[in-house]
Amino acid sequence: QKEVEQNSGPLSVPEGAIASLNCTYSDRVSQSFFWYRQYSGKSPELIMSIYSNGDKEDGRFTAQLNKASQYVSLLIRDSQPSDSATYLCAVNLMDTGRRALTFGSGTRLQVQP
Amino acid sequence: EPEVTQTPSHQVTQMGQEVILRCVPISNHLYFYWYRQILGQKVEFLVSFYNNEISEKSEIFDDQFSVERPDGSNFTLKIRSTKLEDSAMYFCASRVGQGSYEQYFGPGTRLTVT
Repeated sequence: QKEVEQNSGPLSVPEGAIASLNCTYSDRVSQSFFWYRQYSGKSPELIMSIYSNGDKEDGRFTAQLNKASQYVSLLIRDSQPSDSATYLCAVNLMDTGRRALTFGSGTRLQVQP
Repeated sequence: EPEVTQTPSHQVTQMGQEVILRCVPISNHLYFYWYRQILGQKVEFLVSFYNNEISEKSEIFDDQFSVERPDGSNFTLKIRSTKLEDSAMYFCASRVGQGSYEQYFGPGTRLTVT
């Protein structure tokens, strides 16, 4: 199983809709989960972190974590064309012994005006 | 708002040459990282650095790579003898320290090896 897995997309949503991005990860003891946004040719920009099961909201973004299912998601409400980017899921995978981030390949989001 | 900076933004070098990529982490951060991203691929961890020593490195970070914190602000990545496959975006990241695992990335250096 891939360590951090995301659908590559593109995920296309109309402006104003909710975009739902999903990520699964391979180990059961990971504690730290992050969502980064990456515009083409730019660096990853941290938008959300989540450490506990449940939901965490920040503005139009909500991160959801379910450790039992090894699943983390990101909801973007009222999607805007400026949200069009690749969204990277990143995890501190504890079972690798590695404290550094392991990234998924990213989901490309397209918000249609 | 403090941010990680990196220089140069783009470096072109010939195969076999040495390159040094520079980073200035956020000033109160204690942990520093280098990642790379080959075009069209995922972001990959190279090395982490804490308390003036390497704390972790990946299988990519072989003897051709080295890191250094030459003074109180800079953090450098050296590639001794570049190969074509070293062409990638190199990102520096930092995090504040214990209890906070959020890493903030710099804008990156695009390395092109010809």
